[in-house]
Amino acid sequence: QVQLQESGPGLVKPSETLSLTCTVSGGSISSYYWSWIRQPPGKGLEWIGYIYYSGSTNYNPSLKSRVTISVDTSKNQFSLKLSSVTAADTAVYYCARDRRYYGSGSYYRRLDYWGQGTLVTVSS
Amino acid sequence: QSVLTQPPSASGTPGQRVTISCSGSSSNIGSNTVNWYQQLPGTAPKLLIYSNNQRPSGVPDRFSGSKSGTSASLAISGLQSEDEADYYCAAWDDSLNVWVFGGGTKLTVL
Repeated sequence: QVQLQESGPGLVKPSETLSLTCTVSGGSISSYYWSWIRQPPGKGLEWIGYIYYSGSTNYNPSLKSRVTISVDTSKNQFSLKLSSVTAADTAVYYCARDRRYYGSGSYYRRLDYWGQGTLVTVSS
Repeated sequence: QSVLTQPPSASGTPGQRVTISCSGSSSNIGSNTVNWYQQLPGTAPKLLIYSNNQRPSGVPDRFSGSKSGTSASLAISGLQSEDEADYYCAAWDDSLNVWVFGGGTKLTVL
């Protein structure tokens, strides 16, 4: 069973950089895409971006100028950096496996395994 | 404002059948498969339905999904108190090149 665990500081100061790591266990990070999603308190889900195990990335245009996602296959980890944070970036941050494959003439995608999430508060 | 539209709330009594709708457009639901997530209070979203109507192992067959055109629905039959949760629909959007979600539907079991 694949398991994901987010880790990183729970409190970040305004204008600084939020940094989180997701550790994957029970399976290899290779051959899959991996996403970050966030959820502000009491609100819905927002996709941040994904990384393929080879290192290629795709970011949400609304956050693209501030987001960097990287991968370390030797540690079975991938990471998120979000720069110049404000109070609006306060949220629970989730990592998830972003499974994508082509079959029977169609493309299938799903975020199938999620971490438990970690609350990051932006405050001075 | 979310790209996919869901009703903010739904309710039912134990044993009833409830449905939750999800409306999108040609670039997301109209072009790609729909997934549904269940989020119990204080927990991470859990994949409930994938590829429009498939259940992951362990999900009861009381939960079912369907898709038609640019809309999708989640049905829960034989409603139980433990089904009280937030439910989200999701699909890939080919125009925006992002995952898009519905705003979530809070299900209350009366």
